[in-house]
Amino acid sequence: KAGVTQTPRYLIKTRGQQVTLSCSPISGHRSVSWYQQTPGQGLQFLFEYFSETQRNKGNFPGRFSGRQFSNSRSEMNVSTLELGDSALYLCATTQGGGDHTGELFFGEGSRLTVL
Amino acid sequence: GNSVTQMEGPVTLSEEAFLTINCTYTATGYPSLFWYVQYPGEGLQLLLKATKADDKGSNKGFEATYRKETTSFHLEKGSVQVSDSAVYFCALGLQGGYQKVTFGTGTKLQVIP
Repeated sequence: KAGVTQTPRYLIKTRGQQVTLSCSPISGHRSVSWYQQTPGQGLQFLFEYFSETQRNKGNFPGRFSGRQFSNSRSEMNVSTLELGDSALYLCATTQGGGDHTGELFFGEGSRLTVL
Repeated sequence: GNSVTQMEGPVTLSEEAFLTINCTYTATGYPSLFWYVQYPGEGLQLLLKATKADDKGSNKGFEATYRKETTSFHLEKGSVQVSDSAVYFCALGLQGGYQKVTFGTGTKLQVIP
């Protein structure tokens, strides 16, 4: 069973640019969550999608957005990049049928560096 | 709000030493509690979990007991190995939380031979 796949693994952008990150969940997983990991803040929840609908959202500015497609693949977008957006962005998936929190399966992350 | 506080690292131990990583939480309602582990260059993976008070989660020699009275979920292992070197995250999730998990800041463990 293939794991959670995130692309690209590494990318470098400059301030003001935008970036799109992709996450392909484990087959059968319909819930996709995104987290930002930084040395200072740890893991911060961005948002969660289930069946193409955003069910939950963290405390991030509107520059951070996401979507989910009918095949459960998800993308997140960050516009007008700032230096502070440099981080490891982790995608986590689960079957997610109910509203309870279960085990999350993480990808290896996309490491974004903003210059 | 919900929060998780875990001991700061790094923690350096000799092989076969006893490990404790403290974790306390604040939550509205009755959370499920988790320990995740992140090996270098990898994403997080679930190590163990407990879903109600007094439950003990265990895996790979690691244990943690859900203590409601002290709002704690401390991670323990009787004899660590070099291969246990990683970052350990305590986390909580709530009913109705729709997979929103609140993580602690992580504790880096280094085990030396």
